[in-house]
Amino acid sequence: DQQVKQNSPSLSVQEGRISILNCDYTNSMFDYFLWYKKYPAEGPTFLISISSIKDKNEDGRFTVFLNKSAKHLSLHIVPSQPGDSAVYFCAASEWETSGSRLTFGEGTQLTVNP
Amino acid sequence: ETGVTQSPTHLIKTRGQQVTLRCSSQSGHNTVSWYQQALGQGPQFIFQYYREEENGRGNFPPRFSGLQFPNYSSELNVNALELDDSALYLCASSSGTYNEQFFGPGTRLTVL
Repeated sequence: DQQVKQNSPSLSVQEGRISILNCDYTNSMFDYFLWYKKYPAEGPTFLISISSIKDKNEDGRFTVFLNKSAKHLSLHIVPSQPGDSAVYFCAASEWETSGSRLTFGEGTQLTVNP
Repeated sequence: ETGVTQSPTHLIKTRGQQVTLRCSSQSGHNTVSWYQQALGQGPQFIFQYYREEENGRGNFPPRFSGLQFPNYSSELNVNALELDDSALYLCASSSGTYNEQFFGPGTRLTVL
């Protein structure tokens, strides 16, 4: 039962353009969502998060959008840089009850071409 | 400030054996979570320890067990290894069960 799904295994964009990574979830009890970035041979690193009471959160080049009715969130990276090339994981939590126990999607490999 | 460290980096075992993986949490962190990441998949939550007590468990059988020590470092033990246990095992620490997690680089376990 895959409660968090990232349907695009890979995405390739040109440097300077926008990268949009998508994530869908099925568990309506999820109330907190996070994006992590992972380079090879390293653990995932936290990028940005959003609470279910918001529909947008911005941090520099990274913006996360949440559409609760569609159970969909997306991560926008503008402008994309070659150093952004990594695997991006969407994660969700029933934060109020379970805290930081996370359910992850399968990941999307982002490649930013110079 | 030292980040989350895990040992060993790589490990090869055979079916039926037992394995112990270790995690040193970041300084000041009292919560450790363990995740299993199979090839091509996202990390799956195994269990979490908070101040030496188990604080939640994912859908893993009892042969996956853990410990947290007074210095908040942690061990993951897996008994009766199966081929499907081959994965990257990630440890994450945080300063509480509701705070941001910092991940270690993982231990790559191969079961032959």
